Amino acid sequence: DVKVTQSSRYLVKRTGEKVFLECVQDMDHENMFWYRQDPGLGLRLIYFSYDVKMKEKGDIPEGYSVSREKKERFSLILESASTNQTSMYLCASSLGGEGYGYTFGSGTRLTVV
Amino acid sequence: AQKVTQAQTEISVVEKEDVTLDCVYETRDTTYYLFWYKQPPSGELVFLIRRNSFDEQNEISGRYSWNFQKSTSSFNFTITASQVVDSAVYFCALSYYNQGGKLIFGQGTELSVKP
Repeated sequence: DVKVTQSSRYLVKRTGEKVFLECVQDMDHENMFWYRQDPGLGLRLIYFSYDVKMKEKGDIPEGYSVSREKKERFSLILESASTNQTSMYLCASSLGGEGYGYTFGSGTRLTVV
Repeated sequence: AQKVTQAQTEISVVEKEDVTLDCVYETRDTTYYLFWYKQPPSGELVFLIRRNSFDEQNEISGRYSWNFQKSTSSFNFTITASQVVDSAVYFCALSYYNQGGKLIFGQGTELSVKP
């Protein structure tokens, strides 16, 4: 069963902490994505990656960075967590190209206190 | 600009009612793809359907059907005889040429089906 796995389902962190959200896919997909989901705003793209060590900013990259050292793993980093980063974070992967759509992980609900 | 609009934030129906979720998109491209995803309370978005811009045939899958109309830039989703298990947030999404498969999502419609 092909999967995208996010390391934590729920996470509580303090303001100012450095936070790592991990995502691993086992489908040999080229593309990986990080979105955040907030009520009324839908899914907003933070960063994406087309290949190992490649990354591109999405619509809301401020306050975030990413790392993709291996094809199967795409990490989202909150350099200094703030309360406005409290959200649901969704990782997805895709085979590549515009027609394939995504396979999603089950999400990480992050609360910053 | 490329955009997806789901004007219905929340819909509540009683079981066995039919319900239509609206999706309107904007794109300048002639080649694009439209998707619907379902997000149940567990949180993981599940793929429902993909439609490319050259295929305007409507599709039916069990109780689900999709109506794609390029003339009105709409890709609406109908659930016939709704069930409690259909309760979820539904997202419409768009991908277009030369964007590496990146999806643009609508705001989502939360469907509540009551027994």
